[in-house]
Amino acid sequence: KQEVTQIPAALSVPEGENLVLNCSFTDSAIYNLQWFRQDPGKGLTSLLLIQSSQREQTSGRLNASLDKSSGRSTLYIAASQPGDSATYLCASGTYKYIFGTGTRLKVLA
Amino acid sequence: SAVISQKPSRDICQRGTSLTIQCQVDSQVTMMFWYRQQPGQSLTLIATANQGSEATYESGFVIDKFPISRPNLTFSTLTVSNMSPEDSSIYLCSVGGLAVSDTQYFGPGTRLTVL
Repeated sequence: KQEVTQIPAALSVPEGENLVLNCSFTDSAIYNLQWFRQDPGKGLTSLLLIQSSQREQTSGRLNASLDKSSGRSTLYIAASQPGDSATYLCASGTYKYIFGTGTRLKVLA
Repeated sequence: SAVISQKPSRDICQRGTSLTIQCQVDSQVTMMFWYRQQPGQSLTLIATANQGSEATYESGFVIDKFPISRPNLTFSTLTVSNMSPEDSSIYLCSVGGLAVSDTQYFGPGTRLTVL
């Protein structure tokens, strides 16, 4: 059974810093790896989707990579801003997703 | 993309009662899912809502506790039955297409508190 873990659980950084969030999964036979953002009291917003055959995806200041052989995905956030403060979730699956434990990010102004 | 709405956005309920949560999508979608997010936890899939047939439940979730309806391709309901404080969670509806390359979209969630 797929298990998804995220490290660190919480992170606090000064504005402008580049940062990396980590996601590990136990079953390398994943299909999609998707990164989401969740703001307090709100639903999930999809950030990036990496298909199994892909190695990375980029959107603006965000870059997500996928290394199936090592069972890892990373989300890179460049030049962080206070508006980036949220919980970041990674999820592995096809039509149904198994979610990681999340990283609570706080970017200090 | 898909725009998803949920009703109610939040509710406070008494132990032993039931609450039905509605999920409405602005376009026809093949796959609809219901997730639960318990306080301080990540999301756990409850079931896949199948149009025209019974929902498919994940391990640990049963139809008697979480009956689901899917009368058409844009609407689904999840009922939380005979509630206890342990059911206090955020319940989220999500949608995805047949193509495995599809992004999965989530509704804003329903925050349920059971007293």
